[in-house]
This record gives sequence, C-alpha cells and structure tokens, in this order.
Amino acid sequence: QVRLVQSGAEVRKPGASVTLSCKTTGYNFTTYYVHWVRQAPGQGLEWMGIINPSGTATGLAQRFQDRVTLTRVTSTTTVYMKLSSLRSEDTALYFCARESALQGFDYWGQGTLITVSS
Amino acid sequence: SYEMTQPPSLSVSAGQTATITCSGEKLGDKNVCWYQQRPGQSPALVIYEDTKRPSGIPERFSGSNSGNTATLTISGTQVMDEADYYCQSWDRSAPWVFGGGTKLTVL
Repeated sequence: QVRLVQSGAEVRKPGASVTLSCKTTGYNFTTYYVHWVRQAPGQGLEWMGIINPSGTATGLAQRFQDRVTLTRVTSTTTVYMKLSSLRSEDTALYFCARESALQGFDYWGQGTLITVSS
Repeated sequence: SYEMTQPPSLSVSAGQTATITCSGEKLGDKNVCWYQQRPGQSPALVIYEDTKRPSGIPERFSGSNSGNTATLTISGTQVMDEADYYCQSWDRSAPWVFGGGTKLTVL
C-alpha cells in the first residue's frame, strides 16, 4: 500500500538549518508530485512547495523561496526538504503529501515536528 | 496572493446537516479540494475536483463550487465527523492555497 514515512522530530537553534525526509513506498515514485505542507501549533495548513520526483523541477511558495530547498533521491524513493535560517516562527509540524494529478493530496506522511528554540 | 475564507467554527447536532463554506474571488473557476483533520492526525482528502469523493469516503460527504463560494456538506453528521476541515484551491496563478480551516463540533 501507499505510504509516506517521515523522519523524526528535531530541535534546532535559531539560525540553524534542518533537513527532513519523506520515504515513499507502494507506488511508482516518479509518477506523482510530492508536496510539503506545514502546520504551526494550533494553526491551519500552509503550503510550502512541490517537487517533481521524475526530474529536478520544484516550486515554492514565495515566502519560502530563499530558505527552502527540495530534493529527491530516486534510488531510495525519498524526498527531502531543507529549511535554512530557522526562526522561532518555523516551529511547526511539517507534512509531506502525494499529489494525485491535480486531484488533491491523496496520501500524507505522519508529520515531523520541528522545534526552533534557543 | 490568493486568499480563501472559512468560518472558524461550526456546531451541528448529530444527525443534522453540516454546511462548511469557503469563499474566494472567482473560486468557482478553480479546482477545490476538502480535507478532514482529526485531532492528532494528518489531513485526509474527502473531496477533490469540487464534487468527487475519493474511494472510502462516505456518501454523506458532498461538495459544490460556484461563483465565489465552495461548499462542503456533511449529511447526517456523525460524532466521528468532528474535526477541522480545510478547503484548498488550485489554478496556475495561485497553486495550492489552503483556507484557514473550520472546526466542526458535533453535539
């Protein structure tokens, strides 16, 4: 079955960077885009970016364009998100999600909690 | 940037119909999805392409989209439907925008 399994919780200091992983299984990795969405404590969902696993094309929400890098390793069917210059406002639960051909995000990872604190 | 507005909260009695709205400029021209997020869980897709239900989603969930408003309707609401609901729209000019979310309480 389709699964997206994310890496574990991380704690970082302000100004540091963090890389999250999203291991996908159960489907053709290169056929579906993968997105990243975050949710601050008690807040709503915020779309961050998209990666096309069949190539290197990515797209980012404007507010993250200078701090987020999306990559993938095809051999391990894993996508990664690096978030740099962390600040306290980046404390949130980060989700990866598979897009089903403009038909919404049909499978989601379990989320990775990133805590930014001095 | 494109924005969509949802009511922050909605309360309904079990067995009644819950109607959750999502408003945005010319939203009817875009594709809209709806997600359910129960406490402590990842979001789950309940409606895509305005009106379609993924496999496994009960028939009591339905959607519509016209003009400036998309609507998620839950008929015969059950206690298990208590959750946060988010609309999401897509088009080339403003891809993948989420509404602020609506907390549905089932009394």
